[in-house]
Amino acid sequence: SAVISQKPSRDICQRGTSLTIQCQVDSQVTMMFWYRQQPGQSLTLIATANQGSEATYESGFVIDKFPISRPNLTFSTLTVSNMSPEDSSIYLCSVDAVRGVAGTDTQYFGPGTRLTVL
Amino acid sequence: SQQGEEDPQALSIQEGENATMNCSYKTSINNLQWYRQNSGRGLVHLILIRSNEREKHSGRLRVTLDTSKKSSSLLITASRAADTASYFCATDTGRRALTFGSGTRLQVQP
Repeated sequence: SAVISQKPSRDICQRGTSLTIQCQVDSQVTMMFWYRQQPGQSLTLIATANQGSEATYESGFVIDKFPISRPNLTFSTLTVSNMSPEDSSIYLCSVDAVRGVAGTDTQYFGPGTRLTVL
Repeated sequence: SQQGEEDPQALSIQEGENATMNCSYKTSINNLQWYRQNSGRGLVHLILIRSNEREKHSGRLRVTLDTSKKSSSLLITASRAADTASYFCATDTGRRALTFGSGTRLQVQP
């Protein structure tokens, strides 16, 4: 399995500002993903973070609002830009396919970042 | 939109009883995974079942998959107060990213 950490664990931000969330994995992984969980809701995929290339965004999510970096196989960041109260959510990163481990389909999640926008 | 729906949305049972949650999805899948989430925290992976499997067990958990009906169920036997959480099914259609169901909130009364 993979151990995933996220920073910060929570934050309270002002409208119009930006927050960058970090995701660190203890193993090299092929796939990294970012999800959003709005209050009382299920998880929705924001994008797939691709190592060495631009992220692949889902419908309804755009790079200008949610820029993503993935400089290597163990680290990714998600920035929530120009925040509004509607961005208040839990943001979670996840990984699968630990490199060198065959048959790894299980997707593991980080502890999440709870964001409140005032 | 969500790939799947789960029912019930909420379930309240007594300690020691069994809890069954159902998940339906819309398209063909490679695998289906069940997760638990305690009070808005991170997701804990419970079990993965592949499309060519019909049933899997892990401790007190039993998962079934019926690909002809595009449905899955999660059974928790002899429930405990510590099982109180939200449970989500999630499907992988082959592109590795997961599509989540709407979730079931389970309350186990001591």
